[in-house]
Amino acid sequence: ETGVTQSPTHLIKTRGQQVTLRCSSQSGHNTVSWYQQALGQGPQFIFQYYREEENGRGNFPPRFSGLQFPNYSSELNVNALELDDSALYLCASSPLGGYTYFGPGTRLTVT
Amino acid sequence: GEDVEQSLFLSVREGDSSVINCTYTDSSSTYLYWYKQEPGAGLQLLTYIFSNMDMKQDQRLTVLLNKKDKHLSLRIADTQTGDSAIYFCAALGYGGATNKLIFGTGTLLAVQP
Repeated sequence: ETGVTQSPTHLIKTRGQQVTLRCSSQSGHNTVSWYQQALGQGPQFIFQYYREEENGRGNFPPRFSGLQFPNYSSELNVNALELDDSALYLCASSPLGGYTYFGPGTRLTVT
Repeated sequence: GEDVEQSLFLSVREGDSSVINCTYTDSSSTYLYWYKQEPGAGLQLLTYIFSNMDMKQDQRLTVLLNKKDKHLSLRIADTQTGDSAIYFCAALGYGGATNKLIFGTGTLLAVQP
């Protein structure tokens, strides 16, 4: 058990819709990151939040956005969904500079 | 840019040793990790090594690091069928995000009984 939980487990959306994925981190882990893992690929870094501010972003467009809350929970929002957004979305938390622990992921399917 | 490469597939017999290899490009990576992913699951942190170490042993797992060649390996002793999974090598990258991990494409380990 990593102490990182995500919801929902699976989600099916239609192209053009918007989606919100949720994550609850371990207490004391003030850094949360989100990764996208397409089928057959390694995870790709989307962005990271530290103390409720975004402090790093990968090569993802602005329609991918996030929030981090004081209670160690966070959200990933994706607007105007595209078919290529179908993937496993992984939330990861860590103390600053420490090991990174991943949640079980949310499987998003866009039809 | 930063890149991590792994071989795609490894097949071993139960009881043998498995060696999974990885190369990375960012010489400033201070932490290198191995994660395990079983079908339909998230990533399980197996072990890690600091860049100032050459070797780390943790029960059946041995990590070897060659900094000069930017080569990392994971040896699993006495491989069991439960070790069948995808193994990811990841390097800690910097550039605005302290904990950004750069992953390889993963090595599928198949253990034959």
